[in-house]
Amino acid sequence: QQQVKQSPQSLIVQKGGISIINCAYENTAFDYFPWYQQFPGKGPALLIAIRPDVSEKKEGRFTISFNKSAKQFSLHIMDSQPGDSATYFCAASNTNAGKSTFGDGTTLTVKP
Amino acid sequence: NAGVMQNPRHLVRRRGQEARLRCSPMKGHSHVYWYRQLPEEGLKFMVYLQKENIIDESGMPKERFSAEFPKEGPSILRIQQVVRGDSAAYFCASSLIKSVTEAFFGQGTRLTVV
Repeated sequence: QQQVKQSPQSLIVQKGGISIINCAYENTAFDYFPWYQQFPGKGPALLIAIRPDVSEKKEGRFTISFNKSAKQFSLHIMDSQPGDSATYFCAASNTNAGKSTFGDGTTLTVKP
Repeated sequence: NAGVMQNPRHLVRRRGQEARLRCSPMKGHSHVYWYRQLPEEGLKFMVYLQKENIIDESGMPKERFSAEFPKEGPSILRIQQVVRGDSAAYFCASSLIKSVTEAFFGQGTRLTVV
């Protein structure tokens, strides 16, 4: 049973456009929702994260929108740049348990 | 302040051999998490260790896989009698406290079983 579902699997966006990646979770015990960025041959790096007590968090061009009742959250990348081309993973964590459950990833390609 | 160091970066093993993957956490970090990433998939939790203790191994296959984090030295993920299906990238992360909010990932070990 996959606890975190991520879509789309791949995404192509023109430079300057908005990239949107969606995730849905099932376990209401999750209390921390990070997004990771992974470049080929590298480990995941934390990009931005949100807790369920807020509906939106923005850091620079990256925004997380969170809908607790729908158990969904999404990453928006504004003014997408070719350097943003990477694989993005959403995750959901129960901080008491000390582990994260990851989505299957979205490969983003930003065309110049 | 070096990050999480994993070695080797690439490991090739023949079927039936043993694979040993090492993870040196960030300085001062006593919590280590191992994840496996199959091609085109996300990271799957395997095991969570604190110095000399296995805290949660709910994601570890029941056979052939083991992990340790001794008092001194790196954490080791050991895979005995490897099979082709073990081919994957194995990542470890470390944290100062039991906190997924403050965990940092290494660059991974890519295991290929031939």
